[in-house]
Amino acid sequence: DIQMTQSPSSLSASVGDRVTITCRASQSISSYLNWYQQKPGKAPKLLIYAASSLQSGVPSRFSGSGSGTDFTLTISSLQPEDFATYYCQQSYSTPPVTFGQGTRLEIK
Amino acid sequence: EVQLVESGGGLVKPGGSLRLSCAASGFTFSSYSMNWVRQAPGKGLEWVSSISSSSSYIYYADSVKGRFTISRDNAKNSLYLQMNSLRAEDTAVYYCARDRAIATVFDYWGQGTLVTVSS
Repeated sequence: DIQMTQSPSSLSASVGDRVTITCRASQSISSYLNWYQQKPGKAPKLLIYAASSLQSGVPSRFSGSGSGTDFTLTISSLQPEDFATYYCQQSYSTPPVTFGQGTRLEIK
Repeated sequence: EVQLVESGGGLVKPGGSLRLSCAASGFTFSSYSMNWVRQAPGKGLEWVSSISSSSSYIYYADSVKGRFTISRDNAKNSLYLQMNSLRAEDTAVYYCARDRAIATVFDYWGQGTLVTVSS
């Protein structure tokens, strides 16, 4: 199974900050990497698929990059509604589908 | 508008059974693979099972293999998860999620239904 490791596990930032979250795969997954946002008590929401493609309706301040084993999710200017937990997920070798452990983004 | 609505969660004793349902609307259900993903309290996301559009391909996480059964009824636009021999570690919110039709990307999720396994 492919293991996904996110860093950091938690992060404090302020409105307007530029934030980067990293996801590393245990083996190459090409660009088969997706990012989700989850707010407390809510279902996850797809933000980015195929490493860098923005899902319809997602603000352009979100961007993704990377290929192979190392990937990043960047929020260019944090907004109050962006404070949430973010998960990466590989779709290169399934089953099983595997997720990162999550990165909790908190208000500083 | 795509909608996925789960139901069937609740409190069940260890060793018991429960059947979850997911009612889909707003898209051609029979054209998409579907999945169950769960989240234990305070924990991350764990994929549970997937089923292809015509039920030809079915997969399970090792943690539920032999105990859970995924199925679907395309005529009723519904997805199911039969859960048997439930354990405390199966306690979680269970989400149904649509596969984006390219490479296992979950583009729509239901609101989730809570399953609690406790004596």
